[in-house]
Amino acid sequence: SQTIHQWPATLVQPVGSPLSLECTVEGTSNPNLYWYRQAAGRGLQLLFYSVGIGQISSEVPQNLSASRPQDRQFILSSKKLLLSDSGFYLCAWTGLAGGPFSYNEQFFGPGTRLTVL
Amino acid sequence: GQSLEQPSEVTAVEGAIVQINCTYQTSGFYGLSWYQQHDGGAPTFLSYNALDGLEETGRFSSFLSRSDSYGYLLLQELQMKDSASYFCAVHTGTASKLTFGTGTRLQVTL
Repeated sequence: SQTIHQWPATLVQPVGSPLSLECTVEGTSNPNLYWYRQAAGRGLQLLFYSVGIGQISSEVPQNLSASRPQDRQFILSSKKLLLSDSGFYLCAWTGLAGGPFSYNEQFFGPGTRLTVL
Repeated sequence: GQSLEQPSEVTAVEGAIVQINCTYQTSGFYGLSWYQQHDGGAPTFLSYNALDGLEETGRFSSFLSRSDSYGYLLLQELQMKDSASYFCAVHTGTASKLTFGTGTRLQVTL
C-alpha cells in the first residue's frame, strides 16, 4: 500500500529564517507531487507541482521554492520566511495507486502547521 | 483562470440529508472532485465526476452537469462524524492539477 509522510508536524520560525519541509511517498513509482498551502478556514492553494525528478512548476509567485531530488521526495524551501508564509502546508501525490481513480484522486500527507513570528 | 463557489456553511440535523452545491468557471475542465477535511486533518478524497450524472458511493453521492458548470455533493443519513469541511475541486488536465473551492463547513447537530 502507499503512504505519504511529511515532517515536521508543527514548526514555529522567526521572520527571516530559512525553511525546509520534506515530503516522501512510499509504495508507488513516478508519482505526480504537489505542495499546497491552506490559510486558517480557507481553501487549498496549489504552490508547486512536479511530474518527475527535477521537474518543478510554480503556480504562484512567492518567496518559496520546491525541489524534487528523488522520485518520491519533494521539498519545500524558503531562504527568508515572511509573516504571510504562516499556514498549513500539505503535500499530496497522485498516480497509479491501483484503485479505480488513479490520477484523478490525490492523496494528502498529514501536513505541517507553520507559524512565522 | 479558475473560480469555484460553494456556500461557506451548512447546518443539518443527524439523520437528515444535505446538499452542498458547487459552481465553477474554468478555462479547461476534465472533471469535478469532492474532498472532506476534518479540523486539523488532511483532505481525503470522496468522489470524482467526469461525465454528467450522479455517482453514488454509500451514503455520499455526487452530481455533475457540465453544461451548467455545476455540481453537488449529497450526504444522506447524516452522522455526527460528517461534521467537517467539504471542498469541490476542478481537474484542469495538466499534471492532474486541482483547483479547490473555498470549502463548505458542515455542522451536524443532534
